Amino acid sequence: EVHLVESGGGLVQPGGSLRLSCAASGFTFSSYTMHWVRQAPGEGLEWVSGISAGGGTTYYADSVKGRFTISRDNSKNTLYLQINSLRAEDTAVYYCARRTTVAYFYFDYWGQGTLVTVSS
Amino acid sequence: QTVVTQEPSFSVSPGGTVTLTCGLSSGSVSTTSYPSWYQQTPGQAPRTLIYSTNTRSSGVPDRFSGSILGNKAALTITGAQADDESDYYCVLYMGSGIYVFGTGTKVTVL
Repeated sequence: EVHLVESGGGLVQPGGSLRLSCAASGFTFSSYTMHWVRQAPGEGLEWVSGISAGGGTTYYADSVKGRFTISRDNSKNTLYLQINSLRAEDTAVYYCARRTTVAYFYFDYWGQGTLVTVSS
Repeated sequence: QTVVTQEPSFSVSPGGTVTLTCGLSSGSVSTTSYPSWYQQTPGQAPRTLIYSTNTRSSGVPDRFSGSILGNKAALTITGAQADDESDYYCVLYMGSGIYVFGTGTKVTVL
């Protein structure tokens, strides 16, 4: 069974940094493109970033480009999101999601999310 | 900046039918955007309902269906049930690894 478990969220001051992790199990992690999606309190879902199966190609929403860095360690079955220069508007639940097989463009499995709160 | 628009809210009676739409701020939605739909209840992770316009994800009841209506993607719930009361989001694939979520629709069943 596919499991995605996020961790690393917490309370951070504006301007601070955080690294989120997503531990994957139940599938061949190194064969799948992975993504981060966030949801601010009371707001909708926002695609943030994605990374190819091998890690060589990354994708970012314009709203986070330059501050967020996605990476993965296929030997550890773990996805990461490094967030720098945190702003109040980065406060959100951050979900990791698996993109399904190569032929399709959608997210088939989701983690339960980790909450990032940016506040002084 | 690409904006994907959905109706903010809909109300449907139990057993009734409701169609949610997903449109682009500029241009039309087509199958080449691979529209997908997700259901989310408060405090929960999204659940995948529909992908590639009209294919139901595993375990999704057949009262959920997807289509292209005019220049928008659409999600239809036929025979709505109480536990369909949720937020619904569409996602469009914009190419080059980029995805955009719709603004979301809150569906109330009453």
